[in-house]
Amino acid sequence: NAGVMQNPRHLVRRRGQEARLRCSPMKGHSHVYWYRQLPEEGLKFMVYLQKENIIDESGMPKERFSAEFPKEGPSILRIQQVVRGDSAAYFCASSPDGGWYGEQFFGPGTRLTVL
Amino acid sequence: GIQVEQSPPDLILQEGANSTLRCNFSDSVNNLQWFHQNPWGQLINLFYIPSGTKQNGRLSATTVATERYSLLYISSSQTTDSGVYFCAVVRSNDYKLSFGAGTTVTVRA
Repeated sequence: NAGVMQNPRHLVRRRGQEARLRCSPMKGHSHVYWYRQLPEEGLKFMVYLQKENIIDESGMPKERFSAEFPKEGPSILRIQQVVRGDSAAYFCASSPDGGWYGEQFFGPGTRLTVL
Repeated sequence: GIQVEQSPPDLILQEGANSTLRCNFSDSVNNLQWFHQNPWGQLINLFYIPSGTKQNGRLSATTVATERYSLLYISSSQTTDSGVYFCAVVRSNDYKLSFGAGTTVTVRA
C-alpha cells in the first residue's frame, strides 16, 4: 500500500510566480490535510479537505492561497504571486476517517524556495 | 488553542545510550502522534498513541491521557536516530493536529 505521495519534492519559484503543490492520499483515504513548516514557526495546520469539499481553511492565509481536492485526481495547494515569506516545507497528510480519532499519515513534503 | 510543550528542546546522546522525551498538553485529546523528522526533512510516523503503551523495536511510547502527557523512549540509540522528534495532538472535538516545538536529538558515534 503506497503511502502519501507529494510532488514535486522541491520547487523553486521567483517572486510573483505561481506554485502548485500536489498530494495523492493513501489508497482508501478520503480526508486530506495540509500543514506548513516555516523556519521559525514550526508545523502549523493550513486546511482540511474531503473529496470536493473544503471543511476547514482557518489556517490558510486569506490571500493568494487556495486548495482543492477534486473528485478525481490529487489534492492541489496553489499559491499565487509567491513571496519570499512563502518559502517553507509543505506537508500533506491523509486519513481514512475524519481526524477526530484517526491517525494522520504524512507525505514526504514539498520544499518551496522563493527567489 | 491547545498548548503542546516538549522537553527537553535539545538532547545530545552517545551511541548506545537511552533517553526519554516528554510531551505535555493542555487539554483533553482524541489523538496523539509522535513523529521523527530526519535530516532530509521527511516526517516519519512513529506512533499513534492517544492512550496506553506501544513498542516498536528500540522505540516505545506511553500516553497518560488523564494526566495530559506522553513519553517517548529511545533505547540503545544509534546515529540514525538523530533528528527532530515531534509530538502532535488533536484536541477533543477537533481534527487538526497541533504540534509541539520538537526535541532535537543528536546521537554521536
